[in-house]
Amino acid sequence: DAGVIQSPRHEVTEMGQEVTLRCKPISGHNSLFWYRQTMMRGLELLIYFNNNVPIDDSGMPEDRFSAKMPNASFSTLKIQPSEPRDSAVYFCASSFGRQFFGPGTRLTVL
Amino acid sequence: RKEVEQDPGPFNVPEGATVAFNCTYSNSASQSFFWYRQDCRKEPKLLMSVYSSGNEDGRFTAQLNRASQYISLLIRDSKLSDSATYLCVVNMNNAGNMLTFGGGTRLMVKP
Repeated sequence: DAGVIQSPRHEVTEMGQEVTLRCKPISGHNSLFWYRQTMMRGLELLIYFNNNVPIDDSGMPEDRFSAKMPNASFSTLKIQPSEPRDSAVYFCASSFGRQFFGPGTRLTVL
Repeated sequence: RKEVEQDPGPFNVPEGATVAFNCTYSNSASQSFFWYRQDCRKEPKLLMSVYSSGNEDGRFTAQLNRASQYISLLIRDSKLSDSATYLCVVNMNNAGNMLTFGGGTRLMVKP
């Protein structure tokens, strides 16, 4: 099994640029989650999809963040415009019961 | 008050020691509880679920005290490979899969 696939694994960008993070969940999983992890705030849930429909986006920090899940095998998290405080590791996870995490995208905004 | 609280550590212990981590959660209606393990610069991975009656998996024992809203993880005969951050995790919405993570407790096992 390939597991949850995320790309890119590392992203370095300049403040003001648009950033798009990608996730391919495990086939057959019906839920998908985007998390952000920082030293200060730990692991935070940003948004959660069930059967491709956003269920809870209360963790999305502000309007600069948006997430989509156009089909069962793909999701994106977009930050536009990016700011230095967005620097973090962004994890995607999928589940059909137990949650499995992808390897994460390490984002640095200069 | 954080929804899930843990002592961040680090806990520095010698190989073979027994070490215990504790966690408290704020939502008394929570139904599902877990311990995840996260290695440095890696993703979190499920270590074990925590059941009301307590459960054991090899050298690992998890306990739940609903009255005190308290979860524990005991590691016996610790190994160098146990060095990691241990995340206490609670499903607070009971409707499915939304997990709330504690800040993690860092364990360092020394030779």
